Amino acid sequence: DQQVKQNSPSLSVQEGRISILNCDYTNSMFDYFLWYKKYPAEGPTFLISISSIKDKNEDGRFTVFLNKSAKHLSLHIVPSQPGDSAVYFCAASATKTGANNLFFGTGTRLTVIP
Amino acid sequence: GAVVSQHPSWVICKSGTSVKIECRSLDFQATTMFWYRQFPKQSLMLMATSNEGSKATYEQGVEKDKFLINHASLTLSTLTVTSAHPEDSSFYICSARSGLAGEGDTQYFGPGTRLTVL
Repeated sequence: DQQVKQNSPSLSVQEGRISILNCDYTNSMFDYFLWYKKYPAEGPTFLISISSIKDKNEDGRFTVFLNKSAKHLSLHIVPSQPGDSAVYFCAASATKTGANNLFFGTGTRLTVIP
Repeated sequence: GAVVSQHPSWVICKSGTSVKIECRSLDFQATTMFWYRQFPKQSLMLMATSNEGSKATYEQGVEKDKFLINHASLTLSTLTVTSAHPEDSSFYICSARSGLAGEGDTQYFGPGTRLTVL
């Protein structure tokens, strides 16, 4: 049962434009969300996170938006750069349950075209 | 951000042998570490949660006698794949929960270990 879903397996964006990666979740207990970037044969690199008490968090070119009612979050990258090309995973955690483990989406491969 | 290392980065072994993978948090103490497995073109699958000083919690379907986890200190967790078989060939990744102020629930990942069992 995939509790975190990334329905777009791939996305291509022109350099300088905005990249929008989407993520949906089903478990209403999730209250902490993260985005990771991953290159082949490497571990995921933490990008940005957001707690459910917020609806937006910004860090440089990366902004994460959370819509709790829709159980949807998105990662905006602007402006997109060729070095951003990688697989992006969203992840969610139900911190109040004490479980701490992350549930990952299946990833979206972003290609930024120079 | 916090740094997590893994060793070795890749290993090739014969069927039936055991392989140990180390995961270290380099600049922070991690009471909780996690072990994931990633198959080609798939998401990360949580195998087990490793708590310092106590037994690991395994996810459903993961054989605890095959994948031995030890979390002996606040900076080191080990995963031992016992009696490895070709179907155990995979990319194993560990993570550590930072516990740092403001990011207590963020996990930082190691670079992964590519295991190939011949």
